[in-house]
Amino acid sequence: DGGITQSPKYLFRKEGQNVTLSCEQNLNHDAMYWYRQDPGQGLRLIYYSQIVNDFQKGDIAEGYSVSREKKESFPLTVTSAQKNPTAFYLCASRSILQGGGYTFGSGTRLTVV
Amino acid sequence: GQQLNQSPQSMFIQEGEDVSMNCTSSSIFNTWLWYKQDPGEGPVLLIALYKAGELTSNGRLTAQFGITRKDSFLNISASIPSDVGIYFCAGQEGAGNNRKLIWGLGTSLAVNP
Repeated sequence: DGGITQSPKYLFRKEGQNVTLSCEQNLNHDAMYWYRQDPGQGLRLIYYSQIVNDFQKGDIAEGYSVSREKKESFPLTVTSAQKNPTAFYLCASRSILQGGGYTFGSGTRLTVV
Repeated sequence: GQQLNQSPQSMFIQEGEDVSMNCTSSSIFNTWLWYKQDPGEGPVLLIALYKAGELTSNGRLTAQFGITRKDSFLNISASIPSDVGIYFCAGQEGAGNNRKLIWGLGTSLAVNP
């Protein structure tokens, strides 16, 4: 079955460390997105990419970095510059040609210890 | 970034009751989407609306695209315990599937069996 996979489901990080969250999709979607979700704040866009080797900052990009070397993959790195990284991170994808809604992964919960 | 005004913020109802929630925007949207998120999971698309005045059903769920194109509502009839979760609206301004979605802050629904 086609879908979008995020890993790991839970991630613990020590302060000062960079961590990378994985997002892979086999839906042949062009666009991919990273959101951060905090209680009571809904979904906030971190980065998005509409084509391989190109990506754009979202509303809260500071302290994060991404790459889009393959259509299927859009990893997110949470750097030590992100002051409050503990959150639930969601990856999504969408077909630009077909439109419609985003398909989401099941999320990664990152906790800084 | 811009956000939609989604209300109510939370609801606590008895099983079997009907539920209604809505989203409003200060700008005109071409697409309205309704998602449901279970705890610890990614949002799942419930209903997509593409035309002003459109009324679409998905089982016990019904959503409408407001004729002003600045609002949408979602109704759930005869609620059951598995309806528990957070419901998000999302909208897209303008034409073109490469445009980002704008999200509401969610309506948290609790159902008392």
